[in-house]
Amino acid sequence: KQEVTQIPAALSVPEGENLVLNCSFTDSAIYNLQWFRQDPGKGLTSLLLIQSSQREQTSGRLNASLDKSSGRSTLYIAASQPGDSATYLCAVFRTSYDKVIFGPGTSLSVIP
Amino acid sequence: DAGVIQSPRHEVTEMGQEVTLRCKPISGHDYLFWYRQTMMRGLELLIYFNNNVPIDDSGMPEDRFSAKMPNASFSTLKIQPSEPRDSAVYFCASSTERSYGYTFGSGTRLTVV
Repeated sequence: KQEVTQIPAALSVPEGENLVLNCSFTDSAIYNLQWFRQDPGKGLTSLLLIQSSQREQTSGRLNASLDKSSGRSTLYIAASQPGDSATYLCAVFRTSYDKVIFGPGTSLSVIP
Repeated sequence: DAGVIQSPRHEVTEMGQEVTLRCKPISGHDYLFWYRQTMMRGLELLIYFNNNVPIDDSGMPEDRFSAKMPNASFSTLKIQPSEPRDSAVYFCASSTERSYGYTFGSGTRLTVV
């Protein structure tokens, strides 16, 4: 059974710092991995999608990598800003036709 | 495209009442998902549809919950009768083939008193 964990559960950093969020999954036979951001009381906004044939994706200050063999993905945020404060969730697609498993999320707070 | 549209945004109802949540997926998306999010359990998949057909409803908590997708542009999630433990945020998401990931709606915050 696929299990997804995220470390740390919460993180507080000063503005300007670079940071890394971690996502681990137990079954390496995954199809895609997607990172989301959720602001309090809001829905989920897709940040980056890494397809099975890819190892990383970049968007602006965000970079996500995927290592299927070790069952890990990292989300790197460069030069963090207070507006980055939110909960970040990773979601693992085991196959193209199976349900998606979400991690519990990392709550990020960037202090001005 | 306006994205995935859910209504209502907030719903407060009394225990025992019927609740209907609505979702309009992105046009052209052939997968639709209903999720429930709580502090205790995080995001849980309730049911998903492919081409309007329910594929996996194993996450539906009990018979009080039902979901329909009468056409490609509309789905409902119904709870009858509602109970306080059903209080949560319910999200709808849609996608076209899985390689393109998910798009979520803004959610419906349900409070059953």
